This record gives sequence, C-alpha cells and structure tokens, in this order.
Amino acid sequence: DIQMTQSPSSLSASVGDRVTITCRASQSISSYLNWYQQKPGKAPKLLIYAASSLQSGVPSRFSGSGSGTDFTLTISSLQPEDFATYYCQQSYSLFTFGPGTKVDIK
Amino acid sequence: EVQLVQSGAEVKKPGESLKISCKGSGYSFTSYWIGWVRQMPGKGLEWMGIIYPGDSDTRYSPSFQGQVTISADKSISTAYLQWSSLKASDTAMYYCVRRYYYDSSGYYYWYFDLWGRGTLVTVSS
Repeated sequence: DIQMTQSPSSLSASVGDRVTITCRASQSISSYLNWYQQKPGKAPKLLIYAASSLQSGVPSRFSGSGSGTDFTLTISSLQPEDFATYYCQQSYSLFTFGPGTKVDIK
Repeated sequence: EVQLVQSGAEVKKPGESLKISCKGSGYSFTSYWIGWVRQMPGKGLEWMGIIYPGDSDTRYSPSFQGQVTISADKSISTAYLQWSSLKASDTAMYYCVRRYYYDSSGYYYWYFDLWGRGTLVTVSS
C-alpha cells in the first residue's frame, strides 16, 4: 500500500499570508496526486488534480507542484473562505488520502 | 444538474444490517466509476472502494475488503454501500464520489470530481 503523509498537521495563518502545505508519498507516484479542501460540515471539494492542474472554478491563488514523492499545495494569499482542512490523495495505485492539514485563523 | 444524491441519515444498533444509496443524475451514470469514502467523527478521509456501474466491476481498499459490500443498479443510476452486521466503529459520515479522469497524452490521472453530501450512519445500542 502507498502511504501518504502531510505536514504540518495544522497551521495558523492570517488573511493575506502565503501558505504552503507539503504531502509526501511512501513511494514514487509520478504526478498522480490530488488536493481537496473540506470545510466543517461539508463534503470535500477538489482543488488540484494531477499534481498541478487547477480544477475548474477554483481560484488561481491555489496552486500545486511536485512529482515523484514530494508535493506542495500553495495558497498565494489566504482568504477568509480558505480556512479549512486540506487533504492530499494519491491515485497511482487505487486511492489513499493523507491525514489532512487544518488551516485556521491566527 | 450533475449531482450525486445520497440517502438520509441512519441510526442502527450493533449487529443490524444496513444499505445506503447514492443516485447519480445529469451525466451518464454507467460511464464513470463510483466510490465510497468514510470519515469517522473528527477524523480524516478514508477511501473504501469503487464500482463501475456499467459492469459492476468492484475494487476494495484492503482495509475494507470483507467488511462492506459495494454494488450498483445501473437501471436506476444508483450505487450502494452495505453492511451485514454493523459495529459501533462503523459510526461515520459516508460520502459517495465520482471518479473522473484527465487524459494527458494517454496517461490517465484519476480524481474524485463530484461528491455527494454524505450519509451519517450512527451505530449505538
């Protein structure tokens, strides 16, 4: 099985901050990496697929990068609606989610 | 509207059986795999398994193999997740998802583009 880790597990940030979340796979997954955002009481929402492709309708302040085992989700300027939990997911071999990173208000 | 509509919340006792549903609409239901994702209270997302409604080909996460059964009825565009004997540890929110793909020069990148609102299952004596 492919295991996914994320760091940090949580972070506090202010509106306007640049935020970076890291995801690591236990083996190379090429670019088979997706990112989701989940707000409390809501279903997750796809942000990024194939490591760096922005899902339609997602603001351009979200970006993804990386390949192989190390990946990054970046929010260029944090907005109030971005406070949420973010999950990475590998789709190289079936599917595995990372444990999540909670972004809250500083 | 393209959507997945899930059945309502359930409250069950340990040992009881349960089948929850997910109905797709607004797209060709038989053309895309449907998966299930568990989220236990206050915890992260866990992929459980996936089914292709066109021919009912099914794959399970090793963690859930033998614990649940995924099925589909393409005639009514509905996928199901069922338990034969519930445990308290099955208490969770369950989401159905559509597996979509991005074709990059013959390489298919899979992701979950459409999510249901979730079905809350509570198992308590």
